[in-house]
Amino acid sequence: SAVISQKPSRDICQRGTSLTIQCQVDSQVTMMFWYRQQPGQSLTLIATANQGSEATYESGFVIDKFPISRPNLTFSTLTVSNMSPEDSSIYLCSVGVPGQYGYTFGSGTRLTVV
Amino acid sequence: DAKTTQPPSMDCAEGRAANLPCNHSTISGNEYVYWYRQIHSQGPQYIIHGLKNNETNEMASLIITEDRKSSTLILPHATLRDTAVYYCIGAYKYIFGTGTRLKVLA
Repeated sequence: SAVISQKPSRDICQRGTSLTIQCQVDSQVTMMFWYRQQPGQSLTLIATANQGSEATYESGFVIDKFPISRPNLTFSTLTVSNMSPEDSSIYLCSVGVPGQYGYTFGSGTRLTVV
Repeated sequence: DAKTTQPPSMDCAEGRAANLPCNHSTISGNEYVYWYRQIHSQGPQYIIHGLKNNETNEMASLIITEDRKSSTLILPHATLRDTAVYYCIGAYKYIFGTGTRLKVLA
């Protein structure tokens, strides 16, 4: 199965700043998604990262707050912009690999905003 | 995308079968049902999926009702390491519900 490297694994950031999270996969993938998991909650889909075009955002998430890049089939970034304490969450990337059942999830980035 | 409903929590004795139900009454005819689990502090892990027929793999069995409105994930011999949150998803795009927190008791 695909191996995902998600960086950083955790960070503590000041409010008003931005953090860029990287998701690197060891093989070419078709689908890439970004999720947020707030403390004690389920996962919420932020957006689908589309290769070579703008990401598709879910209701309640906007590009200005969560810009996403996907320059190729193995890499994507999610930026959390102008952070507030409410952005404190675990952010996970997920990928679909051709010929593999189900999607593979990264181990997540634990973000704390102070 | 299908909305799923699961009981918030369940307990199961170690060594016994754990049967986790999921209601997905709005699922469409060509949407697969997927099951994942999330062990504390890790990303979700794929378990099994199915469309119409019952499925079995090395981790679990999946029973889907004939009308496809519900399914049951069966862990045949639960161990302490199976303690996790289990998510049932019915969609092309993964919209996670609240899941079932399974606690396996020694």
